[in-house]
Amino acid sequence: QSTLTQPASVSGSLGQSITISCTGTSSDVGNYNYVSWYQQHPGKAPKLMIYDVTNRPSGVSNRFSGSKSGNTASLTISGLQAEDEADYFCVSYASSSLLAVFGGGTKLTVL
Amino acid sequence: QVQLQESGPGLVKPSQTLSLTCNVSGASISSGTSYWSWIRQPAGKGLEWLGRIYTSGTTNYNPSLWSRVTISLDTSKNHVSLKLSSVTAADTAVYYCASWGPGYFDHWGQGTLVIVSS
Repeated sequence: QSTLTQPASVSGSLGQSITISCTGTSSDVGNYNYVSWYQQHPGKAPKLMIYDVTNRPSGVSNRFSGSKSGNTASLTISGLQAEDEADYFCVSYASSSLLAVFGGGTKLTVL
Repeated sequence: QVQLQESGPGLVKPSQTLSLTCNVSGASISSGTSYWSWIRQPAGKGLEWLGRIYTSGTTNYNPSLWSRVTISLDTSKNHVSLKLSSVTAADTAVYYCASWGPGYFDHWGQGTLVIVSS
């Protein structure tokens, strides 16, 4: 069982926008600006898409954006493209001895 | 750029020790500010953080596994190693190594599948 809660699946049409939520607690998401998001295609290594809640690494499309409100972080993908179809998961730093806690992952389907 | 590649036996017998190696290229595991972590994902389930090691050799482990897990550095080979003892079928998973920057995993390996079965 994952510590951070994500929807199991979301879908959107080409060109539309979608948002994936990631809900934690005041011991992780709510207390630190160390939330990151990763994209994972089947059989591939996870790829960092957003770090420190809102920052994009170099090379990541500006169609990807992150935000946080209270204990919930969100990843928004605008202008959906076929290649965005993948699994997405969130990670947060935690004050517990776990240090890093994960979301269960969300499967994005682009219609 | 930094690349990580996991390797090790794909099949381990119950009660034995799982041993994996993460070969790091493009960065030195004995310098810098990264923590080197191991993470696993059982089929159809979420990711689980196993532990991490700093360049100094300081380690932190997941409390649910701390008695069975050991992470170490081999600076001569620029490798990060994982050992998990007394394995059971519940340890069957894809195992990843990743570098933890200041608050996020910035580089990941492709992952290696380990099956625990007799």
